Amino acid sequence: QSVLTQPPSASGTPGQRVTISCSGSSSNIGSNYVYWYQQLPGTAPKLLIYRNNQRPSGVPDRFSGSKSGTSASLAISGLRSEDEADYYCAAWDDSLSEGVFGGGTKLTVL
Amino acid sequence: EVQLVESGGGLVQPGGSLRLSCAASGFTFSSYWMSWVRQAPGKGLEWVANIKQDGSEKYYVDSVKGRFTISRDNAKNSLYLQMNSLRAEDTAVYYCARDRIEGLWSGYYVDFDYWGQGTLVTVSS
Repeated sequence: QSVLTQPPSASGTPGQRVTISCSGSSSNIGSNYVYWYQQLPGTAPKLLIYRNNQRPSGVPDRFSGSKSGTSASLAISGLRSEDEADYYCAAWDDSLSEGVFGGGTKLTVL
Repeated sequence: EVQLVESGGGLVQPGGSLRLSCAASGFTFSSYWMSWVRQAPGKGLEWVANIKQDGSEKYYVDSVKGRFTISRDNAKNSLYLQMNSLRAEDTAVYYCARDRIEGLWSGYYVDFDYWGQGTLVTVSS
């Protein structure tokens, strides 16, 4: 059972907009930055969003992040086949003094 | 070019020990918090531990406290994870990762811009 809760799966057709949610608590998302990672099959994770809504250089602006209270979300617009991957949210948890990840969401592009 | 290369994984019996290494290059290693993240086969990511630039602060996930020790040698640009009393549930690919921001005072982030390729640890009899 992950500290951060994500839906196990999401799907969309090419060109669509998809959102992935991440629910936490006051000790993690509620008081710290949220990060999003993309993991393609057989590869190391890649930083997609940092500090709630910032994109590293090289990440397309089709990817956006937001945070409200103890929840966060990742939005992917103009869905492409290469976006098919696992997506993880993450944050620091002040009560645990640990980093915590969501359980991951497998995105399928139909 | 930033590179992180893990080594030291393998098959170990329950109760055994293993030491993972992560060789860093292409950046000023001593200026960054470093972390270990693991992923059990077919499962999600799990943050394991992190260590401050000078090794003076370390944090661990509860499930490894007292069994795992994170350390670093800035002169050798290397990060380590000493794993003792290994259990079947420690079986995973272990990644080392670099914090995105240089010179950060606090390690209270899960903000990693570079990751290694991972090394597989299998705990089984």
